[in-house]
Amino acid sequence: NAGVTQTPKFRVLKTGQSMTLLCAQDMNHEYMYWYRQDPGMGLRLIHYSVGEGTTAKGEVPDGYNVSRLKKQNFLLGLESAAPSQTSVYFCASSTTGGSNQPQHFGDGTRLSIL
Amino acid sequence: GENVEQHPSTLSVQEGDSAVIKCTYSDSASNYFPWYKQELGKRPQLIIDIRSNVGEKKDQRIAVTLNKTAKHFSLHITETQPEDSAVYFCAASKEGFKTIFGAGTRLFVKA
Repeated sequence: NAGVTQTPKFRVLKTGQSMTLLCAQDMNHEYMYWYRQDPGMGLRLIHYSVGEGTTAKGEVPDGYNVSRLKKQNFLLGLESAAPSQTSVYFCASSTTGGSNQPQHFGDGTRLSIL
Repeated sequence: GENVEQHPSTLSVQEGDSAVIKCTYSDSASNYFPWYKQELGKRPQLIIDIRSNVGEKKDQRIAVTLNKTAKHFSLHITETQPEDSAVYFCAASKEGFKTIFGAGTRLFVKA
């Protein structure tokens, strides 16, 4: 049982390039989330999804897009990478949103924008 | 909007001592309060959680207390060990809504 798998684990981009981060979960969870983690700022929610075909904005959505075409996958896209998007990105999933349900996190993607 | 404040941001204790991390939440409708531990370079992992109908919960050396009236909850680690060194995040949520995380506490346990 792999849980939540993120690919790639590391990536270096040049300013202006685009890329997609993939998150896959095998727990049949309805909710999926993308966070970024910067030093001293904890986990900030970028976008989330409450089910297949749905997406919603989180706390810091600008510069990112997401898609949830399949229940098990949640993709995070950077349209035109900027140095301010250098961060560690975590994907998470849960059976439902909020109450009584912990989130299961992937191992993270360390992204550097030069 | 909803907010979770976490204190202290850094905590250093001697091995064997206790450590306490405190969080305050703003949304009185919050009813689920998980705590996550993140070791260096690793993913956050749930270590304990508490629901609003319970005032305290224990799991070996870890305990969490909840004061709904004051809207704060705390993590207590007793007999700390070097492997407890990590960043700890508190969080608050309510049914159907996204989880709000605190900014984290970096715990150092000195051997």
